[in-house]
Formats: sequence, C-alpha cells, structure tokens
Amino acid sequence: GAVVSQHPSWVICKSGTSVKIECRSLDFQATTMFWYRQFPKQSLMLMATSNEGSKATYEQGVEKDKFLINHASLTLSTLTVTSAHPEDSSFYICSAYAGLAVNSYNEQFFGPGTRLTVL
Amino acid sequence: AQSVTQLDSHVSVSEGTPVLLRCNYSSSYSPSLFWYVQHPNKGLQLLLKYTSAATLVKGINGFEAEFKKSETSFHLTKPSAHMSDAAEYFCVVRGGGADGLTFGKGTHLIIQP
Repeated sequence: GAVVSQHPSWVICKSGTSVKIECRSLDFQATTMFWYRQFPKQSLMLMATSNEGSKATYEQGVEKDKFLINHASLTLSTLTVTSAHPEDSSFYICSAYAGLAVNSYNEQFFGPGTRLTVL
Repeated sequence: AQSVTQLDSHVSVSEGTPVLLRCNYSSSYSPSLFWYVQHPNKGLQLLLKYTSAATLVKGINGFEAEFKKSETSFHLTKPSAHMSDAAEYFCVVRGGGADGLTFGKGTHLIIQP
C-alpha cells in the first residue's frame, strides 16, 4: 500500500513550452501533497505544499506563476512548468501525505520522480 | 526554522564493516527526524523515523539511528555493510505532520568489495 506514481517519468521539451507533471496517490487519499526539486548531485528542496481544493503554498524563492500547482482531488496533484527554460531542467519529485490513515509512521510517500530536460 | 547538517558528503567503507553516517539537526521545537535512502534511478525509501517514543530507532535493512537531544544528533549506523547499501542517504527533519520536509545535502555511501 501507499504507492505514489508520477507521470511522465521523463520529458524533454523545447525552451518556451509548458510541461505538466502528474502526481497520483494510487491506494490512499492524500490530504496534502508536496513538490520537491532535485538538481544533479544535490539534495531535495521543497518547492510547494498543496492541499486539495485550496491554493498551494510556495516556498521562498519559488515563482508561483512559473510553477503552477493544481490539487484537484485527494489523489491527484499536477505541477505545470510554464515557459520552461534550460535552468528549469531538474528532477521533480512529489510526495503525498495522509496523516495516520496509512500507517503509524505519519509519513510522506514519495513518487519516483520526473526528470525534465529543457533544450 | 529547522535544518539538518550531514557532516560527510561521501563515506567509503569495506563490505562487512560498520557504517556511520552523521547528521546534526536544528529545530526550535521537538522535531520528527527521518533517514531516507535514494538508489540510482529509484524513488526515495524511508529507512527509519524518530517518533519520540524511543531514542534508539531500528529501521529496515539492519539500519538504526540514535536520537541524542543533548548533541542534537541523529546518526545512522549499520553493523555490517553490504554492497547493496551503496546509495545516497538523506537525513530529514520535519516540524508538524503536514509540513514539508527539510533535507540534508546527502551522504553518498560507497561500499568497497
């Protein structure tokens, strides 16, 4: 149980285009979903927190108009990178949180990540 | 505000010898602390979590960590390294249950045959 999927697993796009990444909790309902970014050989950095039906909360330095987050249901959150540029190339990872509903660890469950390359 | 510092960017040990990955944390309140492992081209996997119930936490694959409040440390250990342990390890701190996670910079564990 507690499986999180991401789609696509990798994407290559041209500079100036927009890319949508989906994050789904497959066997549980996530009250909160998080989006992280990981540059090569670096750690994960929290980008934003999204709760179903409300606006996402962005971390300092993350442009909300560039990284659009929609959390339409308790099992789906999407991250859209608008007008992507080469510096947006990164590994984007989502996690889903269900509180104590899944296990006593009260943990976040991570998706496998999406590797975005902007040419 | 909270943060974690992983003291070593790389650790190299021989197979069968003990592993020690060091982590210090900073938090203005009682934190939740985690260790995650990331294998190449795979997702993050939770190794263990400090829940405040016990200071010595046992995780999967023979790993354990000890929470020491006086030293603000949460070091990860394993008595005997296996080749499959080679990966990137992240020490992570979290405030409330629904808060985002703050990751350390990671420690790359290398296992020598």
